[in-house]
Amino acid sequence: DAKTTQPNSMESNEEEPVHLPCNHSTISGTDYIHWYRQLPSQGPEYVIHGLTSNVNNRMASLAIAEDRKSSTLILHRATLRDAAVYYCILRDWDSGSRLTFGEGTQLTVNP
Amino acid sequence: DGGITQSPKYLFRKEGQNVTLSCEQNLNHDAMYWYRQDPGQGLRLIYYSQIVNDFQKGDIAEGYSVSREKKESFPLTVTSAQKNPTAFYLCASSSEDRGRETQYFGPGTRLLVL
Repeated sequence: DAKTTQPNSMESNEEEPVHLPCNHSTISGTDYIHWYRQLPSQGPEYVIHGLTSNVNNRMASLAIAEDRKSSTLILHRATLRDAAVYYCILRDWDSGSRLTFGEGTQLTVNP
Repeated sequence: DGGITQSPKYLFRKEGQNVTLSCEQNLNHDAMYWYRQDPGQGLRLIYYSQIVNDFQKGDIAEGYSVSREKKESFPLTVTSAQKNPTAFYLCASSSEDRGRETQYFGPGTRLLVL
């Protein structure tokens, strides 16, 4: 799976939008972009994934650059419960098995 | 509710002892996975199973063993050969072992060596 680069940490204020960036310059045409998050002492939780078009769900939005070399996870109104480590992961459409988790971005949400 | 359960939440192992971590899912998923997480690190794949009665080694299988006799169960045994077993162990499942599929994780088991 291709490599992703994320900032080590970011801060936000409660009820403000948060934009979490991810660079993946070596992405291939068949790589899906997945986002997971991990709250302290819990298992990772799926957030969203996409291939080419922007995606929305009840948790977040995923904005994918036209050249697909970067993407941004958008939390529209951060809450204290959104404080977690956010992982951006590329996975080939067909191959499975390992989810290659890097160190992710630690998001701090201030009240 | 559908989901993945892991037990126990905390497990203590004495030197030279084998211990078994439980993972059960009622999502009717074919694929199941075991990951290990060390403090401040990402997850590393230990073993995975794409279907009942079949499993494959992941990146760090040495000192671990698994079985997949039932679709809903994928227990992990940490053997005495695993010299540094203290870690957070996470079980996951997905409908099939494809990159487009979402993996669902259990709450984890924290293993400590006495």
